[in-house]
Amino acid sequence: GAGVSQTPSNKVTEKGKYVELRCDPISGHTALYWYRQSLGQGPEFLIYFQGTGAADDSGLPNDRFFAVRPEGSVSTLKIQRTERGDSAVYLCASSLSQAGGRADTQYFGPGTRLTVL
Amino acid sequence: AQSVTQPDIHITVSEGASLELRCNYSYGATPYLFWYVQSPGQGLQLLLKYFSGDTLVQGIKGFEAEFKRSQSSFNLRKPSVHWSDAAEYFCAVGASDYKLSFGAGTTVTVRA
Repeated sequence: GAGVSQTPSNKVTEKGKYVELRCDPISGHTALYWYRQSLGQGPEFLIYFQGTGAADDSGLPNDRFFAVRPEGSVSTLKIQRTERGDSAVYLCASSLSQAGGRADTQYFGPGTRLTVL
Repeated sequence: AQSVTQPDIHITVSEGASLELRCNYSYGATPYLFWYVQSPGQGLQLLLKYFSGDTLVQGIKGFEAEFKRSQSSFNLRKPSVHWSDAAEYFCAVGASDYKLSFGAGTTVTVRA
């Protein structure tokens, strides 16, 4: 079956612009996660959805970052007034669990590489 | 808060030789531990995971890892590497229900 897909694969934008990054999780997965991976670093947690609601957005760096998942499937990560420091690979993952248990396996998409000039 | 340290930034190994990647974690309770592999342009792929039970865990692609509570370690091993094993490897600890904390990764280069 299809894995997690993310679009676009690459996004180049100018400082101050608004961007949207999309994630299509594996069909039937109720949990969805966003991570950010800066150059030379491991992924860092941003936000976790269980169904349509953001169960934990404590990893979002500031209020320029926002994510939605209106129908409990596709999710969009939105970044306002982009800054050069936002340049990174944004990874999406999904998992099957109904309650986000610790034993849950997260399946990752290929990521969107965001470059802010 | 939990954290993961991968002491080796880059390892070069000859094809057919053994490989061991180190991972040390910091967490106050029983950790759930993972190893992921990331090839260029690809998403993270789960190699193996440890939740409980047998401390020697078998994964995909011939990898295994051993959980050692006394050393707070979860090292990844492969007896004989293939050129296709060249990639970046991440160790992660799952502390809460959903957050994974990753190490900075180890890049593996395989020479012929």
